[in-house]
Amino acid sequence: NAGVTQTPKFQVLKTGQSMTLQCAQDMNHEYMSWYRQDPGMGLRLIHYSVGAGITDQGEVPNGYNVSRSTTEDFPLRLLSAAPSQTSVYFCASRLIGPYGYTFGSGTRLTVV
Amino acid sequence: AQKITQTQPGMFVQEKEAVTLDCTYDTSDQSYGLFWYKQPSSGEMIFLIYQGSYDEQNATEGRYSLNFQKARKSANLVISASQLGDSAMYFCAMREQGFGNEKLTFGTGTRLTIIP
Repeated sequence: NAGVTQTPKFQVLKTGQSMTLQCAQDMNHEYMSWYRQDPGMGLRLIHYSVGAGITDQGEVPNGYNVSRSTTEDFPLRLLSAAPSQTSVYFCASRLIGPYGYTFGSGTRLTVV
Repeated sequence: AQKITQTQPGMFVQEKEAVTLDCTYDTSDQSYGLFWYKQPSSGEMIFLIYQGSYDEQNATEGRYSLNFQKARKSANLVISASQLGDSAMYFCAMREQGFGNEKLTFGTGTRLTIIP
């Protein structure tokens, strides 16, 4: 099983550029989320989805968009990259119920 | 608002000793879940153990157990017989249950180093 697959693993952007971080899971999980991890901090929720066609904002949504057209995919779009968005981004998914999240391996993004 | 506090930024432990990583939480909800994740130097987040607020027994998964004290709002992770491969960052996290509540709140983590 592939689990949760994130691409790319590394990315360098210039300020103002846009890009999409890809996330796909093959476990038929209903719930998917995007988190960012900054030094000295735990992970913080950006956006999440409880099913295809349903998304909502998390703790730090500004500057990011998401969509969920299928159960498997949950891309994260950076609209106009800023240095403050330099971070490690994790996608995660889980089943409905009292279950933990399965995380992808992360995308390390640097905005210069 | 939910909050997770991990007061040990770093710990050094001798191999084969037991380790307790502290975690306290704050929530006004009665129904919630508590999680521990391991993050090795390679960067991935590995799910270790889960405890529901209504679970009467402490959760166990192999060498991992969760010492859940609801009245004190603590959810400490205990690793028995530590190994060199246990060296990593460990994060405690909480999610308030309820449909649509998907915010997993993380603590700032504890860096555990196992000494041979």
